[in-house]
Amino acid sequence: KQEVTQIPAALSVPEGENLVLNCSFTDSAIYNLQWFRQDPGKGLTSLLLIQSSQREQTSGRLNASLDKSSGRSTLYIAASQPGDSATYLCAVRLTGANNLFFGTGTRLTVIP
Amino acid sequence: SAVISQKPSRDICQRGTSLTIQCQVDSQVTMMFWYRQQPGQSLTLIATANQGSEATYESGFVIDKFPISRPNLTFSTLTVSNMSPEDSSIYLCSVDQGYGYTFGSGTRLTVV
Repeated sequence: KQEVTQIPAALSVPEGENLVLNCSFTDSAIYNLQWFRQDPGKGLTSLLLIQSSQREQTSGRLNASLDKSSGRSTLYIAASQPGDSATYLCAVRLTGANNLFFGTGTRLTVIP
Repeated sequence: SAVISQKPSRDICQRGTSLTIQCQVDSQVTMMFWYRQQPGQSLTLIATANQGSEATYESGFVIDKFPISRPNLTFSTLTVSNMSPEDSSIYLCSVDQGYGYTFGSGTRLTVV
């Protein structure tokens, strides 16, 4: 069974800092990996999708990388803002499967 | 990407009662997924709903407790039956149209 781990569990940074969130997974036979943002008590907003053949994806201040061989992905957030405060989840879809395996999340707080 | 309307957004229910959650997608999709997020936890897949056939349930989830309907390619319901406080969670529906998963806004259920 795919295990997805996110480190750190919580992170607090001052506004303007660049930061990196980490995601690791045990089964490298992935189809794709997706990063989500979740605000308290709310649903999930998709941030970035990386296909297994890709190494990274960028959207605005966000950059996600994927290293299948080492079972790792990182989400880089540049010039953090208080509005970035949320829980960030990574989720893996395995080859041949339709559902997602979710990580435990990183709760980010950006201090003004 | 697809737009999913999920309702209710939240509810407080008495133990022993049932709640039906609805998800409406703005386009036709083959599969819809139902997830549960218990307090402080990540998301766990409950079942996959295909139109015209019975839902496929994950280990630990049974049809009697979580009956699912999928009457057409744009709509699905999840019922949480005979509720207990342990069912207090956020319930989310999701679809994948080939460019990543999209989630509904979630239903925050509290059982008292």
